Amino acid sequence: DIQMTQSPSSLSASVGDRVTITCRASQSISSYLNWYQQKPGKVPKLLIYAASSLQSGVPSRFSGSGSGTDFTLTISSLQPEDFATYSCQQSYTTPLTFGGGTKVEI
Amino acid sequence: EVQLLESGGGLVQPGGSLRLSCAASGFTFSSYAMSWVRQAPGKGLEWVSAISGSGGTTYFADSVKGRFTMSRDNSKNTVYLQMSSLRAEDTAVYYCAKNPEVMPTYNWFDPWGQGTLVTVSS
Repeated sequence: DIQMTQSPSSLSASVGDRVTITCRASQSISSYLNWYQQKPGKVPKLLIYAASSLQSGVPSRFSGSGSGTDFTLTISSLQPEDFATYSCQQSYTTPLTFGGGTKVEI
Repeated sequence: EVQLLESGGGLVQPGGSLRLSCAASGFTFSSYAMSWVRQAPGKGLEWVSAISGSGGTTYFADSVKGRFTMSRDNSKNTVYLQMSSLRAEDTAVYYCAKNPEVMPTYNWFDPWGQGTLVTVSS
């Protein structure tokens, strides 16, 4: 199975900060990497698919990059509504696997 | 608007069975694969299973293989997860999610349903 490792597991940031979250795959997954946002008690929401494609309706302050084994999710200017947990997911092969999540807190 | 509505969750004893349903609307159901993803209390997301648009191909996580089956009724726009030999570690909110293509490989989950809670406990 492909292991997905996110770092950090949590971070504290302020409104306006630039935030970067890293996701590393245990083997190459090309660009088959997706990012989700989940707020407490809410349903996960797709932010980025295929490593760098912004899902429709997602603010442009979110961006994704990377290929192979190393990927990043960047929030260019953190907004109050962005405090949430972010998870990466590889779709290169089954079993599909998620990272452990990164909680972005104030 | 795409809508997914799960049902069927509840409390079940270890070793018991439960069938979850996910009713879909707002899109041509048979043209898209569907998936189940679960989240144990306070934990991260775990993919459980997926099914192709025709229902002819299914995939399962090792943790549920041989215990769970997934099926779909394209005439009812509904996907099912039949769970048997349930264990305490199967306790989670189960989400159904739409895949963007007819096969569930190489793609992502969007949108997700509201989820249904399954609790395995004596």
